[in-house]
Amino acid sequence: DAKTTQPPSMDCAEGRAANLPCNHSTISGNEYVYWYRQIHSQGPQYIIHGLKNNETNEMASLIITEDRKSSTLILPHATLRDTAVYYCIVRVRSNSGYALNFGKGTSLLVTP
Amino acid sequence: GAVVSQHPSRVICKSGTSVKIECRSLDFQATTMFWYRQFPKQSLMLMATSNEGSKATYEQGVEKDKFLINHASLTLSTLTVTSAHPEDSSFYICSAPSGRGVNEQFFGPGTRLTVL
Repeated sequence: DAKTTQPPSMDCAEGRAANLPCNHSTISGNEYVYWYRQIHSQGPQYIIHGLKNNETNEMASLIITEDRKSSTLILPHATLRDTAVYYCIVRVRSNSGYALNFGKGTSLLVTP
Repeated sequence: GAVVSQHPSRVICKSGTSVKIECRSLDFQATTMFWYRQFPKQSLMLMATSNEGSKATYEQGVEKDKFLINHASLTLSTLTVTSAHPEDSSFYICSAPSGRGVNEQFFGPGTRLTVL
């Protein structure tokens, strides 16, 4: 798996956009970028994934640079419930599923 | 969406006893499930891969005789911590792939094990 680098922590004011960066400079052509988050004392939750195009769903947007060496997860209007640890994971796609290699992630604190 | 449940959510036991944790996929079948362990302020670490109808695959450093895994059906995997000790106290989380080919995984809510 390609290694990812994320800032250990970030703050964001409630209602503002939270932009969480991730570097994955060794990503290979068949590897996807996945984002999960873990709210305190809960299991992780899938957010979004992408290969090379920008993606958007009801939770977030994912912006991947043209060279695919970095990406940004955007929570457009952060709420207090978005306070969590966010994990950027690079992995090949699989029908049967692979275990996920969680790094240290970014601890996002959304403040009132 | 697909849901994975775990039972119990929290357990406290005495040192030397065994504890069984169940992981169920509620509305989909999972031939593979994963077990993770998470110590306070640390990230999730994969312990083992549970395979329906065959032996589990353990990560390096995880004792297979201590952490017994049984995947008896397509919706149930169990993790038994045998002869638990205080150092086994941790947050145990299972996951199952969605089967939709996007490597999306559904995680259980976790089981907090405290060994006294």
